[in-house]
Amino acid sequence: KAGVTQTPRYLIKTRGQQVTLSCSPISGHRSVSWYQQTPGQGLQFLFEYFSETQRNKGNFPGRFSGRQFSNSRSEMNVSTLELGDSALYLCASSLGGYSGNTIYFGEGSWLTVV
Amino acid sequence: AQKVTQAQTEISVVEKEDVTLDCVYETRDTTYYLFWYKQPPSGELVFLIRRNSFDEQNEISGRYSWNFQKSTSSFNFTITASQVVDSAVYFCALSEALLDDKIIFGKGTRLHILP
Repeated sequence: KAGVTQTPRYLIKTRGQQVTLSCSPISGHRSVSWYQQTPGQGLQFLFEYFSETQRNKGNFPGRFSGRQFSNSRSEMNVSTLELGDSALYLCASSLGGYSGNTIYFGEGSWLTVV
Repeated sequence: AQKVTQAQTEISVVEKEDVTLDCVYETRDTTYYLFWYKQPPSGELVFLIRRNSFDEQNEISGRYSWNFQKSTSSFNFTITASQVVDSAVYFCALSEALLDDKIIFGKGTRLHILP
């Protein structure tokens, strides 16, 4: 069974540009969530989608957005990139629909903003 | 408010030694879930265990064991007879009894197993 797949794995962007990251959840999983990991702040929750609806959102500016498609695949977008957006972005998936799901993570997308 | 504290930022032990990673959590919910994840250098968070707040049984899985104590709000993780491949960053995490999958992570403990 394939795990959570994230693309691209590595990318370099220039300040002011925008970026779109993609996530394919484990087959059958309907919940997808996104996390940002930086050395200073650690792992922080960005948002979570279930059945194409955003269920929860972390404390990030509106430059960070996401969406989920009918096949449960998800994308997150960061506009007007800042140097501080350099991070590992992790996508996670679960069956969703009830509390205490086991949540599985992908390998992440390493974003460097220069 | 929820919070997960991993007081040990970095630990080094010699191979074959036992090592315990500490985790203390805070939550006002009576129903919650605790997790441990391992992050090797590749970046992927590897799921190790999930426990719910109603199940305080300690668990052993091979060389791994977990000690959950609600009285002290702790969920410690022990690796017995450590191996070099155990070197990684280990995260303790908390999820409250909501329908969404928001997880609060600790800062992680970087574990070095020296040959």
